[in-house]
Amino acid sequence: DVKVTQSSRYLVKRTGEKVFLECVQDMDHENMFWYRQDPGLGLRLIYFSYDVKMKEKGDIPEGYSVSREKKERFSLILESASTNQTSMYLCASSQRDRGLIWGNEKLFFGSGTQLSVL
Amino acid sequence: QQQVKQSPQSLIVQKGGISIINCAYENTAFDYFPWYQQFPGKGPALLIAIRPDVSEKKEGRFTISFNKSAKQFSLHIMDSQPGDSATYFCAASITSGTYKYIFGTGTRLKVLA
Repeated sequence: DVKVTQSSRYLVKRTGEKVFLECVQDMDHENMFWYRQDPGLGLRLIYFSYDVKMKEKGDIPEGYSVSREKKERFSLILESASTNQTSMYLCASSQRDRGLIWGNEKLFFGSGTQLSVL
Repeated sequence: QQQVKQSPQSLIVQKGGISIINCAYENTAFDYFPWYQQFPGKGPALLIAIRPDVSEKKEGRFTISFNKSAKQFSLHIMDSQPGDSATYFCAASITSGTYKYIFGTGTRLKVLA
């Protein structure tokens, strides 16, 4: 069974702390994504990666960075956590279409990390 | 242009009833429209998807209706069951040249037993 695992289900941090959210997938997928889920705002893309050491900004990258040193692992970093980054963070992965057509790959999501910044 | 507007925000349906969730988009370049289902404590999972070359797609009790001229699509859940209680997200994407989905804001469905 395919699996995307996020390291923490709940996380509480202080304002100004550096925060690492880890995600691991076991499906050998090329693409990995970090989304943020907020009530009334849906899912918003923070960053994505289509290959090891590659990264692209999504719609709301400010205040975040990412790292992908290995194919199966994609980390989201909050350099200096702020209260407005309190949210549910979802990691996802997808298999790249061999025809290099984006946009219709099935996304596999992890169960999410609920981050509270106090 | 890039938004997908989803309604209603929440929905309560009696067991056996029909649940209907609507989405509208502006960008006519969108050509793939999936629906994701999210249970509490879980990540979203793909439920059903449609391309604009068909007006309807059915999988079991779940049907997507697509109206290209109106730029609208909807999810119908027939014979709704308490186990269908979840949050549903519509999404849209362009299958060539872009990397991402645009998600709707979500609909929280509760089916009463």
